Amino acid sequence: AQSVTQLGSHVSVSEGALVLLRCNYSSSVPPYLFWYVQYPNQGLQLLLKYTSAATLVKGINGFEAEFKKSETSFHLTKPSAHMSDAAEYFCAVSFSGNTPLVFGKGTRLSVIA
Amino acid sequence: KAGVTQTPRYLIKTRGQQVTLSCSPISGHRSVSWYQQTPGQGLQFLFEYFSETQRNKGNFPGRFSGRQFSNSRSEMNVSTLELGDSALYLCASSLSPGAQETQYFGPGTRLLVL
Repeated sequence: AQSVTQLGSHVSVSEGALVLLRCNYSSSVPPYLFWYVQYPNQGLQLLLKYTSAATLVKGINGFEAEFKKSETSFHLTKPSAHMSDAAEYFCAVSFSGNTPLVFGKGTRLSVIA
Repeated sequence: KAGVTQTPRYLIKTRGQQVTLSCSPISGHRSVSWYQQTPGQGLQFLFEYFSETQRNKGNFPGRFSGRQFSNSRSEMNVSTLELGDSALYLCASSLSPGAQETQYFGPGTRLLVL
């Protein structure tokens, strides 16, 4: 079955440290991949999207993600964490034209001063 | 351009009642999807509408229904509410259906069933 897995329900980093949030998918064909962020009591905001144009995708707020077909991964990174990055992050995958978006369980990012 | 709007933002109902939630998509967007978000189950797809037609439906009981109007606005209805229906209901719009289309989310309606 097609699925998406986010490793680590909670990640804690120090301010200024590297942020790495992991996302793996299972699919026989490369899907469309998205990262969304959700701040408390808000909806989801798109961070970035992979559509096969380039394997390294740059998003908003300094985030980027790299698509690795061999590893079926789409990990999200940011070189230096800021307090304002504390939120929940969701990886989402769309496998084919007529299937709905499938979300991972989410990873809550805490940033420690 | 205004984003996706959802009304109401908060709602308290009692078991057995029914509720209707509304979603107005971004201007020009014709596809609307609904999701339920709970701490235990995460984000689960409810249904998707395009041109007033339901294209996809998630694995939810028939108490959950929806519709889309000619102006692309959408409503979802939950009848005979159960405690487990307490959740954040998110609406998302996109220009059209399709795996490559980006979905833009509204702020959600938080439903509490007592």
